[in-house]
Amino acid sequence: EAEVAQSPRYKITEKSQAVAFWCDPISGHATLYWYRQILGQGPELLVQFQDESVVDDSQLPKDRFSAERLKGVDSTLKIQPAELGDSAMYLCASSWGTGSPGELFFGEGSRLTVL
Amino acid sequence: GENVEQHPSTLSVQEGDSAVIKCTYSDSASNYFPWYKQELGKRPQLIIDIRSNVGEKKDQRIAVTLNKTAKHFSLHITETQPEDSAVYFCAATTGGGSNYKLTFGKGTLLTVNP
Repeated sequence: EAEVAQSPRYKITEKSQAVAFWCDPISGHATLYWYRQILGQGPELLVQFQDESVVDDSQLPKDRFSAERLKGVDSTLKIQPAELGDSAMYLCASSWGTGSPGELFFGEGSRLTVL
Repeated sequence: GENVEQHPSTLSVQEGDSAVIKCTYSDSASNYFPWYKQELGKRPQLIIDIRSNVGEKKDQRIAVTLNKTAKHFSLHITETQPEDSAVYFCAATTGGGSNYKLTFGKGTLLTVNP
C-alpha cells in the first residue's frame, strides 16, 4: 500500500541552527500539506500546495520558515533559524486534490527537538 | 477563519461501553467533516467522514452524526475495545475544488480499560 514518506523521523538541533524536512507524497496526489502538531494538540496547517503552487501559507511564519515543491512532487520544509518554540511534530499529508474534499494521507512525521 | 472545538479532551471508559466525542464548528459553509484516529507514535488515519448533505453515517461500531443547524457533529463508538485507545481528532472543511482547508480540533484521548 502506498504511503507518504517523510525524513528524518527525529531531529535534535540547537537554537539558531537550520533544519530541513522532506516529504514524498503518494504518487499522483496533487495536494500536499505541511502540518505542525504540538504535543497534546491537533495538527495546525502551515502550508498547502496544489501541484507546485502554494494555495495557503497564511499560518507559515515566513520570517523563518520556507517550503517548496518545485516539480509538484516531493517537498521540503525549512526552518532557519530554529527557535525553542519550534519543537513539535511536523506532519506531511497528501490528497488527490480534485473535486470535493476527501481523505488526507499522513506521513509518520518528523519530530523536532530544539535545545 | 474556521474554529473547531472538541470535547472532552480525555475520556476513559470500560471495555464494552460506548464512547461519544463532540465537536462544534463556527463556519456555516463547512461541508466535510472527517474523524482521524492517531495511535501513540503513529500517523493520523481517517476512520470515518460525513458530508454536509448527510445527517448520519455508520461503519460497524463507529457512527458520526451531523447537526448543521447547531453546527455540531459527534463520533460514537459502541462496544469499545482496548485497541480503540488512541487520540481522536475531528475536523471541519471549508472551500472546495482543489482549494479546501481542514481545521482540526485539539483531540480527545480515549482510554479503554480492559
